[in-house]
Amino acid sequence: NAGVTQTPKFQVLKTGQSMTLQCAQDMNHEYMSWYRQDPGMGLRLIHYSVGAGITDQGEVPNGYNVSRSTTEDFPLRLLSAAPSQTSVYFCASTRTGTGTGNTIYFGEGSWLTVV
Amino acid sequence: AQSVTQLGSHVSVSEGALVLLRCNYSSSVPPYLFWYVQYPNQGLQLLLKYTTGATLVKGINGFEAEFKKSETSFHLTKPSAHMSDAAEYFCAVSDGRSYNTDKLIFGTGTRLQVFP
Repeated sequence: NAGVTQTPKFQVLKTGQSMTLQCAQDMNHEYMSWYRQDPGMGLRLIHYSVGAGITDQGEVPNGYNVSRSTTEDFPLRLLSAAPSQTSVYFCASTRTGTGTGNTIYFGEGSWLTVV
Repeated sequence: AQSVTQLGSHVSVSEGALVLLRCNYSSSVPPYLFWYVQYPNQGLQLLLKYTTGATLVKGINGFEAEFKKSETSFHLTKPSAHMSDAAEYFCAVSDGRSYNTDKLIFGTGTRLQVFP
């Protein structure tokens, strides 16, 4: 998972608390995204960004906010955590390639528990 | 809309046996197809991908997959399983038309167990 750094790796939150999952990449990729992984459901796209200042919703955006002020950073914010947001979160950064398709690099994951 | 179906949430093989993990996709446009592996408490690592060209794709760790358009399949195989192959494997598809905005659609995963 070279180049994509996520923090924290583990976090326990109380219902209603807010927090930010940090994601940074040093590969100068324009495209970044956040996924959540739940048992039996694979990974689902939360939000994505095609460049600084541009974000859009994925498959499961409710309860999450994102911003992209720089190319390197793409934080994911939970404004009021709910138990349904207990999950493993993965940040990804994409190297685009004409004719060869994109290569997506994942961070090592952030394990979040909301009690 | 695109989707991916992985048949079998758990697969068990003996060490040295053939590994076959099944993936079928649905896509209205030519797809890009991926297999990722996830070891316990780790992120996802790309095993291999199909974009265009040769339909038999070789990846890391001795894995390969064949894109069969007529069967809408992209099954992952390895001739001889090793204990270190025990992990969860995800098939994924993306819309390759707009490479600046690719979004991966993942299958639900297949957990591979390898017995000695």
